[in-house]
Order: sequence, then structure tokens, then C-alpha cells
Amino acid sequence: DIQMTQSPSTLSASIGDRVTITCRASQTINSWLAWYQQKPGKAPKLLIHKASTLESGVPSRFSGRGSGTEFTLTISSLQSDDFATYYCQQYKSNYNFGQGTKLEMK
Amino acid sequence: QVQLQQWGAGLLKPSETLSLTCAVYGGSFSGHYWSWIRQPPGKGLEWIGEINHSGTTNYNPSLKSRVIMSVDTSKNQFSLKLRSVTAADTAVYYCARGFRGDTAVVGLSLFYYYHMDVWGKGTTVAVYS
Repeated sequence: DIQMTQSPSTLSASIGDRVTITCRASQTINSWLAWYQQKPGKAPKLLIHKASTLESGVPSRFSGRGSGTEFTLTISSLQSDDFATYYCQQYKSNYNFGQGTKLEMK
Repeated sequence: QVQLQQWGAGLLKPSETLSLTCAVYGGSFSGHYWSWIRQPPGKGLEWIGEINHSGTTNYNPSLKSRVIMSVDTSKNQFSLKLRSVTAADTAVYYCARGFRGDTAVVGLSLFYYYHMDVWGKGTTVAVYS
């Protein structure tokens, strides 16, 4: 089983900030990593797949990088709509999610 | 545009069987995998398992002994049964499409990789005694 570890668990930031969330896999997953955004009471929304491919309609302030075991999700200039919980997920072998990073307003 | 509509019983007693169904509207039912994921209150996401249009399944090893998934291609629906539920199975259950977006050649083998691009709205299931 591949374990996914996100950091930090909680991130406090302000509108306009640049924020980065890190996700580490317990073994190499090449680039088979997705990032999701989830708001309270809603289903997760796919933002990025294959580590860096932005989904259609997702703002360009979101970007993903990494390969192997270390990955990052960056929001270049935080907007009010971005406060949510973010999950990484590996899909190289079955699926495993990180524990989530709650992005809250400072 | 693909949409997933899910339904099922929301209140169960311990030892009963959880039963949920997800209908797929729009897009192709074949060529993808169809997953169930759950989220206990205030916690993270856990993948339960997946099935394709041919009935091929992959289950989370931690739940495998209690899970059965099935598919009805005539209705573009897939279903989840989870036996012998306990309070620990209380969660919001989501269905999702595993979209076959990527392939890779490793040696002489071709591998397909599926990322979850469309999700249902979720069904709350509570197990109470």
C-alpha cells in the first residue's frame, strides 16, 4: 500500500498570498498524482492530474509540480474562493489519498 | 457532460448491509473504471474500490472481505454493497469516474492510469444502534 503524507495539515494565509502544499509518497509513483479541492458539504473537485496537468476551467493560479515521491501544489495569488481543504491522491497502484490540508483565512 | 447520480439507504443498524447505486448520465460507460470513496465525519477520503463495464473489480485491501461491487450496463449503473456495517462505516459515500487519461509502456507491457475526474454529490450513511 502506498502511503501519502501531506504537509502542513493546516495553513493560514491571506488574500493575495502565494501558498504551497507538499505531498510525499512512501514509494515512487512517477507522475501519477492528482490534486483535489473540497469545500464543506461538497464532493471533491479535481484540479490537477498527472502531477502538473491543469483541468479545464481551473484557474491558472493553481499549479502542480513534482515526480517520483515529492510533489507540490501552489496557488500563486490566493483568492477568497480558494479557502478549502486540499487532498493529494496517488493513482499508480489503486488509490490512496493524503490526509488533507485545510487552507484557512489568517 | 458526464453526471453521476447516486442513491441508497441512509440509516443502518450494526451488522446490516450498506447498499448504494450510482447512475451515469452522458459520456461512455465503457473504457473507464467506476469507484466508490467514503469520508467519515470530519475526516479524510478513503477509496473503497472500483469496477469497470466488464465487471472487473479492484478493492481496497482493508475492506475487501466485506465489499461487493456490481455493474448493470443496460442501465449504466454500478453498485456497492458493504456487509456487516459498524459505527466505523458511518460516512459520506461518493461515487466517481476513473477516467482513462494516460498510458505508459513499461518493458513490453502497456499500462493504463485512471484519475477521478467526475464525482457524485455524495450520500450520507449513518450506522446507529
